[in-house]
Amino acid sequence: GESVGLHLPTLSVQEGDNSIINCAYSNSASDYFIWYKQESGKGPQFIIDIRSNMDKRQGQRVTVLLNKTVKHLSLQIAATQPGDSAVYFCAENTYNTDKLIFGTGTRLQVFP
Amino acid sequence: NAGVTQTPKFRVLKTGQSMTLLCAQDMNHEYMYWYRQDPGMGLRLIHYSVGEGTTAKGEVPDGYNVSRLKKQNFLLGLESAAPSQTSVYFCASSYRFGPGNTIYFGEGSWLTVV
Repeated sequence: GESVGLHLPTLSVQEGDNSIINCAYSNSASDYFIWYKQESGKGPQFIIDIRSNMDKRQGQRVTVLLNKTVKHLSLQIAATQPGDSAVYFCAENTYNTDKLIFGTGTRLQVFP
Repeated sequence: NAGVTQTPKFRVLKTGQSMTLLCAQDMNHEYMYWYRQDPGMGLRLIHYSVGEGTTAKGEVPDGYNVSRLKKQNFLLGLESAAPSQTSVYFCASSYRFGPGNTIYFGEGSWLTVV
């Protein structure tokens, strides 16, 4: 059933290293951002979110940074593990709408 | 603890055939969504619902219809399938929308139209 992610940008990292996945958004009115992880053959899974009134938010081994000036979002994964291998999507939402707009995704490959 | 369940998981249709994808959630969520995912692209919203009996169009609604007759179910229909509708379909749900309201996704339904 694998049919997604065949033409995605790929980030390859060694196990134990830190990973940084980047996302550019275009709508300056977007005020809520989410990172999702999608493993092969599964649906997207929520990782972390951030509101536009913040520039940094930390979770367990993950940090999201938001730079509204250049409309850029990044996901940092500390001490990357083989289980982190997946496709990662950013999504943005504009205030007062009920829709998320997803980016195209980045494939993270972790090698030993 | 089922979460969001989609049926069927795989289906092959001939052009012009109709079918319905069923989504069920057991979390008492108000909001439900149908997305499609194509190679090299992010998820695109087809239709969504903000509560029982309501539906609204998303980014790519043409060729699809939806119904939300019961709060826990959200059906996606293809009246006359076309090869362009070959895709992976994801249903999702959330209690509300916005910060603090996690959107939960199903496992996906792989649809091929020949």
